[in-house]
Amino acid sequence: NAGVTQTPKFQVLKTGQSMTLQCAQDMNHNSMYWYRQDPGMGLRLIYYSASEGTTDKGEVPNGYNVSRLNKREFSLRLESAAPSQTSVYFCASSERTGGPDTQYFGPGTRLTVL
Amino acid sequence: QQQVKQSPQSLIVQKGGISIINCAYENTAFDYFPWYQQFPGKGPALLIAIRPDVSEKKEGRFTISFNKSAKQFSLHIMDSQPGDSATYFCAASILSRTASYDKVIFGPGTSLSVIP
Repeated sequence: NAGVTQTPKFQVLKTGQSMTLQCAQDMNHNSMYWYRQDPGMGLRLIYYSASEGTTDKGEVPNGYNVSRLNKREFSLRLESAAPSQTSVYFCASSERTGGPDTQYFGPGTRLTVL
Repeated sequence: QQQVKQSPQSLIVQKGGISIINCAYENTAFDYFPWYQQFPGKGPALLIAIRPDVSEKKEGRFTISFNKSAKQFSLHIMDSQPGDSATYFCAASILSRTASYDKVIFGPGTSLSVIP
């Protein structure tokens, strides 16, 4: 099992460029998440998807869009990148099994916007 | 009220010493408190978690102490080792009985360095 995989690992964009961050999980989880991690800020939720076909905004959704392509894949799109979106982006997935659900994180994408 | 505060921001401990990281919250509706460990270049991973009906939970060298009245909880790492060097995030969530997921609020993180 690969768990949660993310591509690319690193990306440098110029202001105004667009890109899509890809995420896939092979644990058959229903819920998937996108977070951004900034120094001193912890992890902040951008968007989440409770199940295939549904997506909802998190704490910091402005400037981002998401697509839950199928149960395995959840992508994050930056339509017009801004320097404020320089961050490390983590995808996660979870599945409720009767108790608190544990989120499993991917290795992250380090994005720099110049 | 959704914030989780965490201190210190960074911590240096000698090998064999005790590492202590403190967290505080305001929302009394939180009912699940996980700690995540993140090694450089990796994603966070669940380390240990506690519910507010107990005051302490221990797993190996890692212990969570929970003070419900003070709305504070802490992570203690006994006999700290260089391999424990990582960033630690406390978190809080409200366990949902209807939704298929639990929204998690993370603290800002503590960078721990254990020196030989």
